[in-house]
Amino acid sequence: EVHLLQSGGGLVQPGGSLRLSCAASGLTVSINSMNWVRQAPGKGLEWVSVLHSGGNPDYADSVKGRFTISRDNSRNTVYLQLSNLRTDDTAVYFCTGGVLDWGQGTVVSVSS
Amino acid sequence: DIQMTQSPSSLSASVGDRVTITCRASQDIKKYLVWIQQKPGKAPKSLIYAASTLQSGVPSKFSGSGSGTDFTLIISGLQPEDFATYYCQQYYSYPLTFGGGTKVDI
Repeated sequence: EVHLLQSGGGLVQPGGSLRLSCAASGLTVSINSMNWVRQAPGKGLEWVSVLHSGGNPDYADSVKGRFTISRDNSRNTVYLQLSNLRTDDTAVYFCTGGVLDWGQGTVVSVSS
Repeated sequence: DIQMTQSPSSLSASVGDRVTITCRASQDIKKYLVWIQQKPGKAPKSLIYAASTLQSGVPSKFSGSGSGTDFTLIISGLQPEDFATYYCQQYYSYPLTFGGGTKVDI
């Protein structure tokens, strides 16, 4: 059974930074496409970033240049570094393994 | 980017009803479609992948069909725990894109 345990997140001022973590069990992050998806309050789901098994990342235009996805194979964990945060980045962030498995979500709130 | 259009955006149903939700892609996505259920305050849960394959542990009252650009999710015998918002998502190409959601309530 796959478990994706997320941590990180919190309240940050505009322009600030945060790092989100997604620790996987039952799934190997280095051989799966690991995604981050977010959901703004009262809104639908929005894809944010992917790290493919080959190590190549991709980003939504709205976060390109500000967010960085990475992984630590030894910890079987994927990270999302959020920088230069804006108020419209406020959302619950979910990590996903492929298209089937979801983390529990972590709240990022950007406000002054 | 591939646009995903769901309909209806909301519907009211009763316990025992059969519910149909449709999803249309702006271009051919073969069968690279997932149906996702989300209950308020909870993480999404993938129900069906490859348009029609039930995720392990998902009851058979959920069924999916379609290929190309037109897809359907059917929930047979609606139960109280099925009242939720349902999303379709294509994984044919990046960026991954989602439908706007269908809220199923009483």
